[in-house]
Amino acid sequence: RKEVEQDPGPFNVPEGATVAFNCTYSNSASQSFFWYRQDCRKEPKLLMSVYSSGNEDGRFTAQLNRASQYISLLIRDSKLSDSATYLCVVMVSSGTYKYIFGTGTRLKVLA
Amino acid sequence: DGGITQSPKYLFRKEGQNVTLSCEQNLNHDAMYWYRQDPGQGLRLIYYSQIVNDFQKGDIAEGYSVSREKKESFPLTVTSAQKNPTAFYLCASSAADWTYEQYFGPGTRLTVT
Repeated sequence: RKEVEQDPGPFNVPEGATVAFNCTYSNSASQSFFWYRQDCRKEPKLLMSVYSSGNEDGRFTAQLNRASQYISLLIRDSKLSDSATYLCVVMVSSGTYKYIFGTGTRLKVLA
Repeated sequence: DGGITQSPKYLFRKEGQNVTLSCEQNLNHDAMYWYRQDPGQGLRLIYYSQIVNDFQKGDIAEGYSVSREKKESFPLTVTSAQKNPTAFYLCASSAADWTYEQYFGPGTRLTVT
């Protein structure tokens, strides 16, 4: 089983739709959680950190469920420019710290 | 502007040659990382450094070497011992504080023929 798992998609949604992605992790020493956005042939860019209380940034909402060991990303009112791959990243801390990346969920927003 | 720079953006080499990829950051971050990304796969950690003059192997260090002589710089050498060097190489850095957010450079796409 992979340490961080994501549905690869693609998720094809119309403009204006709401879409949600989940990411599950297996290491109970996971301490910090992040969502990154990666456009084709570009570097990942930090979208948002995920806090225990959940957090929102404009149309984006991230949630953490430690009991079930998953994080989620909700995108409301999807724009064409939201089309990208969304990477789930988990930071595991046990002595030293290490980032573990999911393989990403591909989103296509259609006109 | 603060950020991470990687050069070159594209690099072509013949098999059997060593090649060094540059990574520089002016974010005053202590930690720096090298990842490799292959199509359809997640990022895999090659090497990381949490402090100057110290670095540790990641999950796929074989065939690679690094140095960390300055806080700002973390060059990666892809040696001829690396069996499948063609990939997208990403350098990242993070502050050693509670946020632990990583920031990435634009990447170097290496093609070895």
